[in-house]
Amino acid sequence: GAVVSQHPSRVICKSGTSVKIECRSLDFQATTMFWYRQFPKQSLMLMATSNEGSKATYEQGVEKDKFLINHASLTLSTLTVTSAHPEDSSFYICSASSADRTEAFFGQGTRLTVV
Amino acid sequence: KNEVEQSPQNLTAQEGEFITINCSYSVGISALHWLQQHPGGGIVSLFMLSSGKKKHGRLIATINIQEKHSSLHITASHPRDSAVYICAVGAKGTYKYIFGTGTRLKVLA
Repeated sequence: GAVVSQHPSRVICKSGTSVKIECRSLDFQATTMFWYRQFPKQSLMLMATSNEGSKATYEQGVEKDKFLINHASLTLSTLTVTSAHPEDSSFYICSASSADRTEAFFGQGTRLTVV
Repeated sequence: KNEVEQSPQNLTAQEGEFITINCSYSVGISALHWLQQHPGGGIVSLFMLSSGKKKHGRLIATINIQEKHSSLHITASHPRDSAVYICAVGAKGTYKYIFGTGTRLKVLA
């Protein structure tokens, strides 16, 4: 089956720095990718929808200047957490759907710790 | 009321027991995923369902579209099955997912 690869799986960064998380579809073209975040002891929540070649659509309450999303190709979307703070520490995961929307796949997730 | 409800929230079982985790949802869906999340670890997609039943090894997933309900069964449970199991529902017409709060399973040796 199709695979979505997310990298890195874990990252620790210092407060004030930026961190980039990559989401790649390995064997299909993902016209749409979704980014989710999981707070401790809570459900995963949608942050934004990323469409290839256009600006991402952010959910209410998600700062677009803080969480930069780029979907420059049909196989890669990136989430950059800018000027990271300890409260950004969380589990981030992407999912990708194919152009015909018949299937969707999840990345493995990235655990971000900001110290 | 959450759009995706899972039960139970926590479950402790003895090794070898048959386990059932339930997921009910209130929206029209394009697909439903069962995911497994180990402590501190990443997510593994177990099943994607849009109808019927799927089996993979000791895991079985079923979905009833009319009743808006899905179940995940684990046969002959093992301590390595200990994890959080999450039901994720893809809203109809899109693959935006709504997640349940998860079921924390602990299987004791």
